[in-house]
Amino acid sequence: SQKIEQNSEALNIQEGKTATLTCNYTNYSPAYLQWYRQDPGRGPVFLLLIRENEKEKRKERLKVTFDTTLKQSLFHITASQPADSATYLCALLMGTGGFKTIFGAGTRLFVKA
Amino acid sequence: GAVVSQHPSWVICKSGTSVKIECRSLDFQATTMFWYRQFPKQSLMLMATSNEGSKATYEQGVEKDKFLINHASLTLSTLTVTSAHPEDSSFYICSARLAGVYSGEQYFGPGTRLTVT
Repeated sequence: SQKIEQNSEALNIQEGKTATLTCNYTNYSPAYLQWYRQDPGRGPVFLLLIRENEKEKRKERLKVTFDTTLKQSLFHITASQPADSATYLCALLMGTGGFKTIFGAGTRLFVKA
Repeated sequence: GAVVSQHPSWVICKSGTSVKIECRSLDFQATTMFWYRQFPKQSLMLMATSNEGSKATYEQGVEKDKFLINHASLTLSTLTVTSAHPEDSSFYICSARLAGVYSGEQYFGPGTRLTVT
């Protein structure tokens, strides 16, 4: 069956450390993979997009890797801050079917001061 | 730029009544809007894709007669939950893509919390 797996357990890290979140998927062939941030009771906010032919993408303190062989993406936040505390969603964008986006359940990140 | 609003932000209604939720792209045109539903600690579930001027495309298992979608203009899509039941209580979120530009990025509204009593 098709599924997207993100660590359901919350990730707790100390301020200043690097947070690494994992997204694994099975039986999908996404054209793109995206990461979103969602705060409680709010809609998601787009962070980064990486294409299937890209290995790595960076934006300020954020870094995303995409391994289509392992069917895995890693999302890194360097020099983490308490304001980075949120739920981070992995999303697969299919190249067919109207470019439908399928979301993972997200991983909750807590950054302690 | 690329702001999406939703109205209302929360609504409480009685079982059997209908509720309309509006989704507006404030500073851009959106030929395609999406409606999602999210239960606590679960992922966003795509309900339907709304295209301006045409019928919405519903995902498998979503009742089109219960969740009516209208995308009458390039900046407005509405979702009407008809004959609401307590199990329809959820967080409904819309999103939009920029018309004519494909980057895969979606702009999400702030969501609408629906509680059916």
